[in-house]
Amino acid sequence: DTEVTQTPKHLVMGMTNKKSLKCEQHMGHRAMYWYKQKAKKPPELMFVYSYEKLSINESVPSRFSPECPNSSLLNLHLHALQPEDSALYLCASSQVTPVTGSPYNEQFFGPGTRLTVL
Amino acid sequence: AQKVTQAQTEISVVEKEDVTLDCVYETRDTTYYLFWYKQPPSGELVFLIRRNSFDEQNEISGRYSWNFQKSTSSFNFTITASQVVDSAVYFCALRQFNKLSFGAGTTVTVRA
Repeated sequence: DTEVTQTPKHLVMGMTNKKSLKCEQHMGHRAMYWYKQKAKKPPELMFVYSYEKLSINESVPSRFSPECPNSSLLNLHLHALQPEDSALYLCASSQVTPVTGSPYNEQFFGPGTRLTVL
Repeated sequence: AQKVTQAQTEISVVEKEDVTLDCVYETRDTTYYLFWYKQPPSGELVFLIRRNSFDEQNEISGRYSWNFQKSTSSFNFTITASQVVDSAVYFCALRQFNKLSFGAGTTVTVRA
């Protein structure tokens, strides 16, 4: 199974709402990622989890809160978002190279969640 | 600092034409990893190929081929006999540890 799933596919929320994006993979990968992609732009890295621990936060505003409850699941909790946060949110996973702990292998992406903030 | 440049913003071809996408990268690392991803209109990024810096062999997979040249820091991608299903945005990416640096992407439109 080489699939990363994301729910929901589409999400519309107001600026005062609280919502969560979910990501799941069953490839045994121990590194998971959140990316944000605006229209006609490349994906931008937001967070990296390695062995269920947050290893990279690319200076993302605190209204985005990631969570990795286990090795297969990754959540992104959203609160008090702004209209400029509207984008495609992509989850990815990869293997982690055991010796160095740094994942050198390819990342597999989910289909994304299209988020609209009103 | 790492940087990936895809100078071609958009390419439009007629079906069965060949398409070559350029990718130029910058890195100070001696060991690095290059990738190509395809993003169709549905949005999912599809992994196409990984190339390690110590392996300069070119690769062919069906109608896809890749030309990696360290001397010019380029990792170009050719689609032979293009088909409508090849219409997508293609990203070249450079990986350092657990971070991917993407190029701006090239939008390929294949017309029937």
